[in-house]
Amino acid sequence: SAVISQKPSRDICQRGTSLTIQCQVDSQVTMMFWYRQQPGQSLTLIATANQGSEATYESGFVIDKFPISRPNLTFSTLTVSNMSPEDSSIYLCSVQLAGVTDTQYFGPGTRLTVL
Amino acid sequence: QKEVEQNSGPLSVPEGAIASLNCTYSDRVSQSFFWYRQYSGKSPELIMSIYSNGDKEDGRFTAQLNKASQYVSLLIRDSQPSDSATYLCAVNKTSGTYKYIFGTGTRLKVLA
Repeated sequence: SAVISQKPSRDICQRGTSLTIQCQVDSQVTMMFWYRQQPGQSLTLIATANQGSEATYESGFVIDKFPISRPNLTFSTLTVSNMSPEDSSIYLCSVQLAGVTDTQYFGPGTRLTVL
Repeated sequence: QKEVEQNSGPLSVPEGAIASLNCTYSDRVSQSFFWYRQYSGKSPELIMSIYSNGDKEDGRFTAQLNKASQYVSLLIRDSQPSDSATYLCAVNKTSGTYKYIFGTGTRLKVLA
């Protein structure tokens, strides 16, 4: 596996503001993903972070709301823009390691509360 | 019909018993199947992956896959209170992609 870190681990934000979440991996990975887990719910894929190109978003998620960057093989950011209380959730990055099968490993998550 | 279905539980078992967790999926072409454990307030942790029909054992955990019936299960032998968590089933829908579909999870409670 790999060591995956996320910053911040938690935050409380005001409505209308934006928060950028960072995901850092200690080894090169082929795929990076961003998920959302709303309270009491399972995981929903937001997008696949593509290195050097635009992210691939899932149905219901758009770039204006969740811009994603992936400047290299070990780092990605997810921004939650113009937040509302409905964005309160845990945001998780996951990675697929180079040379490994399609197994995904998750970072520790960022717990976001929007007031 | 949900793409990946799990009974939400809670499933309560006594310490030392076998816990049986089940998951069904709708897409017949699904190739890869995963079980994750998630403690409250923590991120999912991989327990097992399984790709072929049959059983796969790892310590106290056994994953079982039946593609014809479209179900995958996880058995936990000698259950411990520390196994109390939510168990998430994930399915990689299509060969060549890496998009997991997660079930809603089954909450397991192991009673001491």
